[in-house]
Amino acid sequence: EVLLVESGGDLVQPGDSLRLSCAASGFTFSNYAITWVRQTPGTGLEWVSTISGSGGTTHYADSVKGRFTISRDNSRNTLYLQMNSLKAEDTAFYYCTRGAPTGWYFFDYWGQGALVTVSS
Amino acid sequence: QSALTQPASVSGSPGQSITISCTGTISIGDYDSVSWYQHHPGKAPKLMIYEVTARPSGVSNRFSGSKSGNTASLTISGLQVEDEADYYCSSYTSTSNRVVFGGGTKLTVL
Repeated sequence: EVLLVESGGDLVQPGDSLRLSCAASGFTFSNYAITWVRQTPGTGLEWVSTISGSGGTTHYADSVKGRFTISRDNSRNTLYLQMNSLKAEDTAFYYCTRGAPTGWYFFDYWGQGALVTVSS
Repeated sequence: QSALTQPASVSGSPGQSITISCTGTISIGDYDSVSWYQHHPGKAPKLMIYEVTARPSGVSNRFSGSKSGNTASLTISGLQVEDEADYYCSSYTSTSNRVVFGGGTKLTVL
């Protein structure tokens, strides 16, 4: 069974940093691109960042580029999202998602999400 | 980057069919990159349609996808109470390596 379990969500102040983790199991982690997708309260889904299976290629949404860094440790089957200079508008549920074999931009498995709240 | 526009809400009665549209302001992304997700509040979103028309294993054949020009559509036939959820379309553009989601459509099954 494919499982993705996020952790690290917290209440932080504007300008703070936070690191999210996503522990994966049930599949060969290094064979799949993994993506962070977020949902802000009351609004829709937003693609945040994607990393290739090897970790050699990354993509970022313009809203987080330069502030967030996606990385992975294939030996630990774990994905990370380092979030710096956090803003109120980064408040959201952050979901870890697996890219489908037919295209990394199809998200075939999702975690339950981690809540990040940025507020003073 | 093209934005994707969905109706805010649609509704239907059990047994009926409904269609949710997803229109790209500039384009709908790469030709076969459209997907649809179902999201029940408090649960993880679920992939319902990918590559415009394909259904993942385990997804009911009551769900179908199509595309015409810059508009993709999700049709749900034989509506069931458990279909009540938020639905999001998504597309990918290879020239920018970006994924964009539509604003979401709330489906109410009356």
